[in-house]
Amino acid sequence: EVQLVESGGGLVQPGGSLRLSCAASGFTFNTYVMNWVRQAPGKGLEWVSSISESGDRTYYAVSVKGRFTISRDSSKNTLFLQMNSLRAEDTAVYYCAKSRVFTGPPFDSWGQGILVSVSS
Amino acid sequence: QSVLTQPPSVSAATGQKVTISCSGSSSNIGVNHVSWYQQLPGTAPKLLIYDNDERPSGIPDRFSGSKSGTSATLGITGLQTGDEADYYCATWDSRLSGGVFGGGTKLTVL
Repeated sequence: EVQLVESGGGLVQPGGSLRLSCAASGFTFNTYVMNWVRQAPGKGLEWVSSISESGDRTYYAVSVKGRFTISRDSSKNTLFLQMNSLRAEDTAVYYCAKSRVFTGPPFDSWGQGILVSVSS
Repeated sequence: QSVLTQPPSVSAATGQKVTISCSGSSSNIGVNHVSWYQQLPGTAPKLLIYDNDERPSGIPDRFSGSKSGTSATLGITGLQTGDEADYYCATWDSRLSGGVFGGGTKLTVL
């Protein structure tokens, strides 16, 4: 059974940094594209970033490009999202999601989500 | 403002059928597959439809998907109260080189 478990969320001040982790199990981690998707309070889903199976290709939403960095450690079956220069509008539940086949959607497995709050 | 356009809400009676539309453009739906997600209150999204019209194992055939040109549609038949949720369409946008979601549609079962 595929399991994705996010951690590392919390409250951070504007301009601060946070690193999210997603521990993956139940599938061969280094053969799937992985992604981050977020959902601001009361709002819809927003794709944030994707990373290729080997980690050599990364993609970012315009809203986070230059501030967020996606990475993966296949030896630990873990996906990361380094978030710098955080803004109030980055406040959201962040989901780790596994791509079914190719880059981006469809996302066939999701974590439970982790809340990131950016506020002074 | 989402790249993909969905109606904010739809409603129908128990046992009836409902459709949810998703409109895009030539750089996203026009050239890439569409997937649909169900998000029950307080839970993570769940994949309902992938590759426009395919259902993952475990998804009942009451749920169906279709695509034509730059639009896609999710259909749900035999509506149940447990189907009340938010539904999202998604695809890859080849011009943006990124994933895109619709704004979501809230389904109310009367």
